[in-house]
Amino acid sequence: EVQLVESGGGLVQPGGSLRLSCAASGFTFSRYWMHWVRQAPGKGLVWVSRMNSDGRTISYADSVKGRFTISRDNAKNTLYLQMNSLRAEDTAVYYCASDLSEDSYWGQGTLVTVSS
Amino acid sequence: QTVVTQEPSFSVSPGGTVTLTCGLSSGSVSTTYYPSWYQQTPGQAPRTLIYSTNSRSSGVPDRFSGSILGNKAALTITGAQADDESDYFCVLYMGSGIWVFGGGTKLTVL
Repeated sequence: EVQLVESGGGLVQPGGSLRLSCAASGFTFSRYWMHWVRQAPGKGLVWVSRMNSDGRTISYADSVKGRFTISRDNAKNTLYLQMNSLRAEDTAVYYCASDLSEDSYWGQGTLVTVSS
Repeated sequence: QTVVTQEPSFSVSPGGTVTLTCGLSSGSVSTTYYPSWYQQTPGQAPRTLIYSTNSRSSGVPDRFSGSILGNKAALTITGAQADDESDYFCVLYMGSGIWVFGGGTKLTVL
């Protein structure tokens, strides 16, 4: 069974940092492009970042560029999102998902709340 | 900045057919945008329905279909059922590694 399990969310003050993880199982993680997508409370889905299978090709939404860093460890079947200089508008459920151009798998998400 | 457009809401009668669309504020959607569609119910993660324009995700009933209609991507639900009442999101590949989601359509079945 395919599983993507996000973790690392929580409450953080503005300007703070968090590192999200996405543990993959049930498919050959190392072959897949992976994405992070977020959803603010009551709002729609917003694409955040993408990384190719070997970690060499990366892209970010303008809203997070320079603050967030995507990475992966194919030996551990895990995708990461390092989030720095967090703002109130970064408050959202963060989902990891496999390649959006294919039959993508989605995790259940982890909630990040940025508030003082 | 190009915006991906979706109808904010739509309603369909049980058993009826509905077509949701996914367009661009400027320009036409084609297969090169790899349009994909996701269904989401409150409190749940998105579920892939259609990817790369018209490929159906594993386990998705064949009453869900994807296409290009005119200058937009389209999701058609044939024979709507009560549990199709959900939010539907499309996503488009804009090139240069950038993907953009539409604002979503809230579908009511009544």
